[in-house]
Amino acid sequence: SAVISQKPSRDICQRGTSLTIQCQVDSQVTMMFWYRQQPGQSLTLIATANQGSEATYESGFVIDKFPISRPNLTFSTLTVSNMSPEDSSIYLCSVVERSNTGELFFGEGSRLTVL
Amino acid sequence: RKEVEQDPGPFNVPEGATVAFNCTYSNSASQSFFWYRQDCRKEPKLLMSVYSSGNEDGRFTAQLNRASQYISLLIRDSKLSDSATYLCVVNKYSGGYQKVTFGTGTKLQVIP
Repeated sequence: SAVISQKPSRDICQRGTSLTIQCQVDSQVTMMFWYRQQPGQSLTLIATANQGSEATYESGFVIDKFPISRPNLTFSTLTVSNMSPEDSSIYLCSVVERSNTGELFFGEGSRLTVL
Repeated sequence: RKEVEQDPGPFNVPEGATVAFNCTYSNSASQSFFWYRQDCRKEPKLLMSVYSSGNEDGRFTAQLNRASQYISLLIRDSKLSDSATYLCVVNKYSGGYQKVTFGTGTKLQVIP
């Protein structure tokens, strides 16, 4: 199974600042996803990170707020821009290692608190 | 209507009990189904895939009913270590694009 490293694991940030979360996978994967999990809630897909093209965003999420990079098949970043307390959440990177099974593997998450 | 619906619980059951979770999905074109387990403050991890024929892994049995768009998970002989949130996950593939939808999760607490 894919091994996924996320950094930072947690951070406390001031309102109005931006934070970039990194996701590194130990193998080349076609599909990488970014999820958000707010306190007490399930996972919500923010976007699919596409290698070599713009990310595909889900309804309610926009590129200006959550810019994503995917420079190669093993790495992606998610930036949370102009943060507000409502952005306090866990952000999770996820990959599909073998698209025919559909199994998702997750990083350990980045716990963000915005003051 | 949510795409994937689960009873959020919590289900509080004594050790050794049998407990069942249900999940319904709205998109009849959904193609693959999973149960994930999420421990408190941890990332979700795959518990088991769900096949039309039903499948069993030790104390865990998963069933899929495509006609009713319904998925179930049965846990027999509950252990304290089974306490977690169980997430129903539904996949749909279209044009090389995978759409994964998570249910809100069902919380299980196994009591000594």
